[in-house]
Amino acid sequence: QLHLQESGPGLVKPSETLSLTCNVSGGAISSTNYYWGWIRQPPGKGLEWIGSVYHTGSAFYNPSLRSRVTISVDTSKNQFSLRLSSVTAADTAVYYCARENLQWRNFDYWGQGVVVTVSS
Amino acid sequence: EIVLTQSPGTLSLSPGERATLSCRASQSVSTKYFSWYQQKPGQPPRLLISGASSRATGIPDRFSGSGSGADFSLTISRLEPEDSAVYFCQQFSNSPRTFGQGTKLEIK
Repeated sequence: QLHLQESGPGLVKPSETLSLTCNVSGGAISSTNYYWGWIRQPPGKGLEWIGSVYHTGSAFYNPSLRSRVTISVDTSKNQFSLRLSSVTAADTAVYYCARENLQWRNFDYWGQGVVVTVSS
Repeated sequence: EIVLTQSPGTLSLSPGERATLSCRASQSVSTKYFSWYQQKPGQPPRLLISGASSRATGIPDRFSGSGSGADFSLTISRLEPEDSAVYFCQQFSNSPRTFGQGTKLEIK
């Protein structure tokens, strides 16, 4: 059974960089059938796709965040990572990592999510 | 960017009733790349429907999806208390992938 687990600081100061890692177990991140994505959910609000990465390192970002986002993959550790720079209070959210199924272009496995608060 | 608008915002029904949730896109989307999710408090979203009408693994047949073009629906028949959740639609006809704002389903 595939399992995804997010990790990283729960508190980030304004203007700093948010860094999260998603560890994948029970399946190979190098599979050709999937992307690996990050989605966030501000408190009490809906879901926003941040970006996705392929095992080759090719990454695709939401245009609204592209200037501040980097998603990378480490196949040797079976994990992928998110960096979001110049954060503000608007970046406070639950951050989820998820597997993106390339057949249906949806997210079929999700991590439990990590709460990230931007505050001084 | 394709905007997905879900209605109603909140739906309150009794066990055994049928729920119909709507998702309307700002432009036509590919049926193949239209999905529905269920999210309960404190949990990540759970994939329900792929390709507008195909149930994901382990999803009971009380859940069904339909639609095409810009109008899609999720129907939950014979509601059970455990169906209380927020339901989201999602598309990938055009990047970025976008989600609807959600419909909250309350079981009385």
